[in-house]
Amino acid sequence: AQSVTQPDIHITVSEGASLELRCNYSYGATPYLFWYVQSPGQGLQLLLKYFSGDTLVQGIKGFEAEFKRSQSSFNLRKPSVHWSDAAEYFCAVGEGSYDKLIFGTGTRLQVFP
Amino acid sequence: GAVVSQHPSWVICKSGTSVKIECRSLDFQATTMFWYRQFPKQSLMLMATSNEGSKATYEQGVEKDKFLINHASLTLSTLTVTSAHPEDSSFYICSARGRDRPGEGYTFGSGTRLTVV
Repeated sequence: AQSVTQPDIHITVSEGASLELRCNYSYGATPYLFWYVQSPGQGLQLLLKYFSGDTLVQGIKGFEAEFKRSQSSFNLRKPSVHWSDAAEYFCAVGEGSYDKLIFGTGTRLQVFP
Repeated sequence: GAVVSQHPSWVICKSGTSVKIECRSLDFQATTMFWYRQFPKQSLMLMATSNEGSKATYEQGVEKDKFLINHASLTLSTLTVTSAHPEDSSFYICSARGRDRPGEGYTFGSGTRLTVV
């Protein structure tokens, strides 16, 4: 069965520092991969997605992610974090014809001034 | 962009009563809608998948008689929590995918905080 692992439950960074959130997946075929962000008490906003093609994907708010098939990873990066980036980040894999999403456990990002 | 409206954003109900949560796609036809449940500081757990005009498909362990899902039109799906109990208190989120938006992924509602007292 497909699964998604986000090894870091909680990450704290200083504003202006670089960020990398890890995501590993287990899936037999080429996965559809997503990163979502959730602010407290809110729904999810799509940051970026990978279906095929270029393995480096650009998203909104200055985020990017790189698909590495050999490592079964889809890590999210941002070169300079802003205080407004503090939120919960979820990695997800689409199952089959992406009929449903399987979510990782999430990584909570705190940003200190 | 695609918008999914979810109402109410929060609701408090008495134990034993039923609560209906609505999920509407405002600017696209949602052929498939998904309902998730999220416990505090935890991930989203898929409860069920509904396709317009057909019965919902429930994930293992989800009580279909307790969580009634209706997807009667291409723009509306509802989740009814029947005979709610305190353990049903949670954050419920819907998500929609449209036939006219291939490759665009899913759009999420803003969620509903249910508290059963």
